[in-house]
Amino acid sequence: DQQVKQNSPSLSVQEGRISILNCDYTNSMFDYFLWYKKYPAEGPTFLISISSIKDKNEDGRFTVFLNKSAKHLSLHIVPSQPGDSAVYFCAASEYGGSQGNLIFGKGTKLSVKP
Amino acid sequence: ETGVTQSPTHLIKTRGQQVTLRCSSQSGHNTVSWYQQALGQGPQFIFQYYREEENGRGNFPPRFSGLQFPNYSSELNVNALELDDSALYLCASSFEAEETQYFGPGTRLLVL
Repeated sequence: DQQVKQNSPSLSVQEGRISILNCDYTNSMFDYFLWYKKYPAEGPTFLISISSIKDKNEDGRFTVFLNKSAKHLSLHIVPSQPGDSAVYFCAASEYGGSQGNLIFGKGTKLSVKP
Repeated sequence: ETGVTQSPTHLIKTRGQQVTLRCSSQSGHNTVSWYQQALGQGPQFIFQYYREEENGRGNFPPRFSGLQFPNYSSELNVNALELDDSALYLCASSFEAEETQYFGPGTRLLVL
């Protein structure tokens, strides 16, 4: 049973527009959520995280929103750039980001077209 | 500062063989986690080592085993390889105060 779900396998966006990637989870014990970006032939690269005590975290062009009652989080990228084209993974943990196991979704492939 | 490195980058084995994958942690990190990423899936947690002790294990059989050395580098050993073990194996290192785990580039294993 998948505890972290990314229901959109792919997303295509025009350069300069907003990209919105979505993630749903089922385990109410998750207290920390992370987004990773992965290029082919590379390992996942950390983008941004959010603790369950917050509902928004912002870092430059990247903003993560958390809706605990809906068990839903989203990553907004504004403005989108062609270099953002990659697979984006949502991950969740019961024990923070550095310790314990991270539970990943299947990923969403983002394509940003010039 | 050197990031997480893994070796080898690619490996081909036959069913029933054994394999050892290696990981060097990022400097200052005392925790290493291993993940398996099958094609089209997200990474799946295998186990984690903290200061040379196993600190958690995912839903993988005992033929998946590991070690962490005093310098915090790590090995993943898989015995009696099966075709379904074909995957990208990712190592991630971290320190307690960090907000995330840092991943290496992975080892791609193909079992024929």
